[in-house]
Amino acid sequence: SQTIHQWPATLVQPVGSPLSLECTVEGTSNPNLYWYRQAAGRGLQLLFYSVGIGQISSEVPQNLSASRPQDRQFILSSKKLLLSDSGFYLCAWKQGVGGYTFGSGTRLTVV
Amino acid sequence: GENVEQHPSTLSVQEGDSAVIKCTYSDSASNYFPWYKQELGKRPQLIIDIRSNVGEKKDQRIAVTLNKTAKHFSLHITETQPEDSAVYFCAASSSAGGTSYGKLTFGQGTILTVHP
Repeated sequence: SQTIHQWPATLVQPVGSPLSLECTVEGTSNPNLYWYRQAAGRGLQLLFYSVGIGQISSEVPQNLSASRPQDRQFILSSKKLLLSDSGFYLCAWKQGVGGYTFGSGTRLTVV
Repeated sequence: GENVEQHPSTLSVQEGDSAVIKCTYSDSASNYFPWYKQELGKRPQLIIDIRSNVGEKKDQRIAVTLNKTAKHFSLHITETQPEDSAVYFCAASSSAGGTSYGKLTFGQGTILTVHP
């Protein structure tokens, strides 16, 4: 069966520090992968999506970047975090015409 | 791009009552409409979905209706229970070709509280 792993679960980082969040999918191949951010428990905002290795599309201008070095790996990064980057980050995958399956999320607090 | 509006933002009901959450979408090409339930601090979980070739779909106490002409769809929960309390999100996407890539656009969410 397909599973999606996301880590870490929680992260507290100082302003100006780098960020790396990782998401991996098992049991499937060539999935569409997505990074969403959720602020204050409401509103899922699409940040990036990828339809294949090395293919990244950005939905909103921001302080973050994404990479897909392998078929089932999707990484969210930042060189220097801002306070406004705090939030709940969710990775999701989609294969075929069905809905998303979300990872368990990373709660990021920038202090 | 797609825009999804969801109402109400909060909904409070008594146990056993029905709850209805409504969403409208803007892109007539959208043809897939899932609903997600998110409990506090957890990931959104798909609870039901509907495609544009169907007007209604039911799964036990949960049903979703779709009106393509008016571009709106609704979630209906009957015989609500305290464990139904959560944030509910609607979403819309198009599986058509081009640049959609199955991207889901979410509504802003509805906080449902079911009082015992």
